[in-house]
Amino acid sequence: SAVISQKPSRDICQRGTSLTIQCQVDSQVTMMFWYRQQPGQSLTLIATANQGSEATYESGFVIDKFPISRPNLTFSTLTVSNLSPEDSSIYLCSGRTAVNEKLFFGSGTQLSVL
Amino acid sequence: QKEVEQDPGPLSVPEGAIVSLNCTYSNSAFQYFMWYRQYSRKGPELLMYTYSSGNKEDGRFTAQVDKSSKYISLFIRDSQPSDSATYLCAMSTGNQFYFGTGTSLTVIP
Repeated sequence: SAVISQKPSRDICQRGTSLTIQCQVDSQVTMMFWYRQQPGQSLTLIATANQGSEATYESGFVIDKFPISRPNLTFSTLTVSNLSPEDSSIYLCSGRTAVNEKLFFGSGTQLSVL
Repeated sequence: QKEVEQDPGPLSVPEGAIVSLNCTYSNSAFQYFMWYRQYSRKGPELLMYTYSSGNKEDGRFTAQVDKSSKYISLFIRDSQPSDSATYLCAMSTGNQFYFGTGTSLTVIP
């Protein structure tokens, strides 16, 4: 299985601030994704992190709110900007080695916004 | 109609019981079927992965897929307190993934 490391594991932030989440994957992983997990809801794909170019966002998610970088094959960051209590959620980094292959997840970041 | 339906539970069973977790789906294009286990404050961990109808066994876990009925199941034999977690089913066309909302399981010693 692929190794995916994510940090921080949790954070409590003030309204209006931003949080940047880091994700490091092993070299087997070629495709990286960011998900959001809200209580009682299924995992929602935020975007696909593309190496060296702008991320591909899903409907309902915009770059201004969720800027994503992937400067190299094994590292990506997700920033959640201008935080509001509605952003309180678990954010998950994930990766797979190729299309049609398994999807693995990092340990998640529990974000609470006051 | 959601792509994937999963009973959220919660489900509570005594230690040693057989647990059955189920999901239904509507999209016949799904080719790959997965079960993830998620402990509190952790990310989902891939438990079972299959791409055909029938059963796949791994230790105390058996994944069952019935494509004709669009129904998948996860059976846990001899359940242990350490199995207490949320179980997510997931399905994929190969490109896109769709997840259930998760079933919370508690195994009581």
